[in-house]
Amino acid sequence: DTEVTQTPKHLVMGMTNKKSLKCEQHMGHRAMYWYKQKAKKPPELMFVYSYEKLSINESVPSRFSPECPNSSLLNLHLHALQPEDSALYLCASSHRDGKELLGHSPLHFGNGTRLTVT
Amino acid sequence: GENVEQHPSTLSVQEGDSAVIKCTYSDSASNYFPWYKQELGKRPQLIIDIRSNVGEKKDQRIAVTLNKTAKHFSLHITETQPEDSAVYFCAASKGRGSTLGRLYFGRGTQLTVWP
Repeated sequence: DTEVTQTPKHLVMGMTNKKSLKCEQHMGHRAMYWYKQKAKKPPELMFVYSYEKLSINESVPSRFSPECPNSSLLNLHLHALQPEDSALYLCASSHRDGKELLGHSPLHFGNGTRLTVT
Repeated sequence: GENVEQHPSTLSVQEGDSAVIKCTYSDSASNYFPWYKQELGKRPQLIIDIRSNVGEKKDQRIAVTLNKTAKHFSLHITETQPEDSAVYFCAASKGRGSTLGRLYFGRGTQLTVWP
């Protein structure tokens, strides 16, 4: 069982569609991440939220729009995607304290959403 | 930024043998080095990690060693089993501060353990 839950597991969408990916965790983690992973490649960081604020955007195209409604939820809104955006989209979370006293905390990944853009 | 190199890209071993995967990093400020195992169609799972104040860490059949001077770290799996077959990713991070959990991944090693 994973502690980070992602829905849907699979998604097929056309290039004109609008869809959203959802991620939820109840571990009290205050950092949440979106990664994109192509087959046989390492995960690529897209966005990082820390305390519900967007902290890192790795120059991701605007057709990907992240949202963090509260400390447990993370969404990724998709619009006008291209076939090359087809990939596994992974959500992750990690613990974070306000004074950064803990140093780095391990990432907990969800099972991902397998996205196919037609 | 950080650059993490991982070798080999593929590794085949007989069940019961040992497997070693090596990674190098470029940024001497990196201080956290996790290893992830990803089985086919599944999520990456942390199997072991090491911080820069430690030279070696062991958890049953898995061990990681770190050489800060040479900027390299290695994953050692002993008594391999077919269920160890997966892609293994090493990663490096500076940990705290403005990096906010940014992990720099190696390109991965496909480990196959033959029965």
